[in-house]
Amino acid sequence: KNEVEQSPQNLTAQEGEFITINCSYSVGISALHWLQQHPGGGIVSLFMLSSGKKKHGRLIATINIQEKHSSLHITASHPRDSAVYICAAPGGGADGLTFGKGTHLIIQP
Amino acid sequence: ETGVTQTPRHLVMGMTNKKSLKCEQHLGHNAMYWYKQSAKKPLELMFVYNFKEQTENNSVPSRFSPECPNSSHLFLHLHTLQPEDSALYLCASSQPGLATLAYNEQFFGPGTRLTVL
Repeated sequence: KNEVEQSPQNLTAQEGEFITINCSYSVGISALHWLQQHPGGGIVSLFMLSSGKKKHGRLIATINIQEKHSSLHITASHPRDSAVYICAAPGGGADGLTFGKGTHLIIQP
Repeated sequence: ETGVTQTPRHLVMGMTNKKSLKCEQHLGHNAMYWYKQSAKKPLELMFVYNFKEQTENNSVPSRFSPECPNSSHLFLHLHTLQPEDSALYLCASSQPGLATLAYNEQFFGPGTRLTVL
């Protein structure tokens, strides 16, 4: 089973700051998921990436398959970015994902 | 709005009750999933259905019984639950590709917040 670790677990920052959330996993994979969970529970898929970098608006995700590490960056952070960010990797069974514990991000105005 | 709906959104039940959670996806996907999210714990995969066939049962107790009558609907039947089963239950769907399902983007419903008294 893949072990997925995220850091930090909690992060509070001021509006406008550059945010980095890290994810490492134990078993080699070909792709990794980043998800966003807002208060109330709804989860949205942000990225699925297998190499290099992907960008969507102010969100950037990078992955280094050899080092088994991925990062999620938020540029010009805004209070609406406050949420739990979760990374997930294949390895929770044949068809399943193993999830990190999540990073609880609060952006203060 | 992700195209995946779940009902009810909140459910309170006693340990002797029988209830069902419903999930419906309007995305034309063929794979559906049940996940459990307990307080202070990571999301846990419970069941996977691919083209209506169960492909994964992640050692879930038999008091949870899934049903997938067609590719658009997924149920989770609950009976004689325990207080520790209180959690957020999330449904997701994906379109199977050539690779294992875990490499396909998943679309999540809003979840059912379950409290077992």
